[in-house]
Amino acid sequence: QQQVKQSPQSLIVQKGGISIINCAYENTAFDYFPWYQQFPGKGPALLIAIRPDVSEKKEGRFTISFNKSAKQFSLHIMDSQPGDSATYFCAAIRPNTGNQFYFGTGTSLTVIP
Amino acid sequence: DAGVTQSPTHLIKTRGQHVTLRCSPISGHKSVSWYQQVLGQGPQFIFQYYEKEERGRGNFPDRFSARQFPNYSSELNVNALLLGDSALYLCASSLGPQSREQYFGPGTRLTVT
Repeated sequence: QQQVKQSPQSLIVQKGGISIINCAYENTAFDYFPWYQQFPGKGPALLIAIRPDVSEKKEGRFTISFNKSAKQFSLHIMDSQPGDSATYFCAAIRPNTGNQFYFGTGTSLTVIP
Repeated sequence: DAGVTQSPTHLIKTRGQHVTLRCSPISGHKSVSWYQQVLGQGPQFIFQYYEKEERGRGNFPDRFSARQFPNYSSELNVNALLLGDSALYLCASSLGPQSREQYFGPGTRLTVT
């Protein structure tokens, strides 16, 4: 059973546009929601993360929007650049479970120049 | 500072064989987690080790085992390899067992033929 559902599977955006990736979860015990960026041949790199007591977090061009009642969160990439082309994963974790993160299935983002 | 390092980079094994994958965490990090990433999917949690003790285990068969050494490096062992074990095996390190920020290595690509 997929604990975290991610969509879309792939996304093509023009340079300068906004990329939006969505995730949904069922387990209300999750208390930390990171987004990872993965380039081919590399391991995932932590991009930005949010806790459920905050509705939005912004770091540079990357913003997480969090809707606790809908059990959804999304990643917005503003002014998307070709260098942002990568696979993005959302994840979630419950408290006191160490590093047992549950990852989404990934979104392959392509930013066209 | 060096990031998380993993060896080997690539590995080809035959069904039924045994494999050992190695990971060195970031200096100062005492917790190591292992993930399996099948092509086109998000990482799946296998193990977490802290201070040489297993702190968490995902839904993987007993053919998978791991250990952590006094210098906090870790080994993942897989016995009786199956074709379905073909994947990218990722190691992630963090400061402690409940640290939410984890840093991934580049992974070991295992191909089972």
